[in-house]
Amino acid sequence: DAKTTQPPSMDCAEGRAANLPCNHSTISGNEYVYWYRQIHSQGPQYIIHGLKNNETNEMASLIITEDRKSSTLILPHATLRDTAVYYCIVRPDTGTASKLTFGTGTRLQVTL
Amino acid sequence: GVTQSPTHLIKTRGQQVTLRCSSQSGHNTVSWYQQALGQGPQFIFQYYRKEENGRGNFPPRFSGLQFPNDSSELNVNALELDDSALYLCASSKDRASNEQFFGPGTRLTVL
Repeated sequence: DAKTTQPPSMDCAEGRAANLPCNHSTISGNEYVYWYRQIHSQGPQYIIHGLKNNETNEMASLIITEDRKSSTLILPHATLRDTAVYYCIVRPDTGTASKLTFGTGTRLQVTL
Repeated sequence: GVTQSPTHLIKTRGQQVTLRCSSQSGHNTVSWYQQALGQGPQFIFQYYRKEENGRGNFPPRFSGLQFPNDSSELNVNALELDDSALYLCASSKDRASNEQFFGPGTRLTVL
């Protein structure tokens, strides 16, 4: 599985957009980009995933560059409850095992 | 949702432990992860329809079971100090699902 690189920590003011970058320069053509987050003392929570097109759901937007070597997760209006560790994961669409390979993620701190 | 028991557990080195997970209703796939302090979760193995369907870099003393009601157990024999971690269970509708639903985890401390 391709490796990802994320900044260890970021801060964001409540109500502002949080833009979390991820570098995955060795991504292969059949690998998807997934984002999960882990709020303190909880299990990880799925946010969004995409292959090459930008994606949006009720939680966030995912912007993937044209060369697919990097992506950005956007939380449009961050709240204190969005404080968490955010993991960017690349995973092939094998149709079999749904193993997720987590790195150390980005710790997002949302402040007043 | 996904539930796990117990929430916390303390064992001594060399002992054996069994952790339990109840999947979300309608899910037939369960994955187990180990999360050491300050690290991301590491994939241990996955069970699909009661068969192991993929395994991470963990020794055979980590084993599992999946039951007909899609609940699951993680067994660890001959506990070592480094086995101290948060153990997470995740269920999904099937083995190729895009989304995994995680439980809150079991915190295991090995003394």
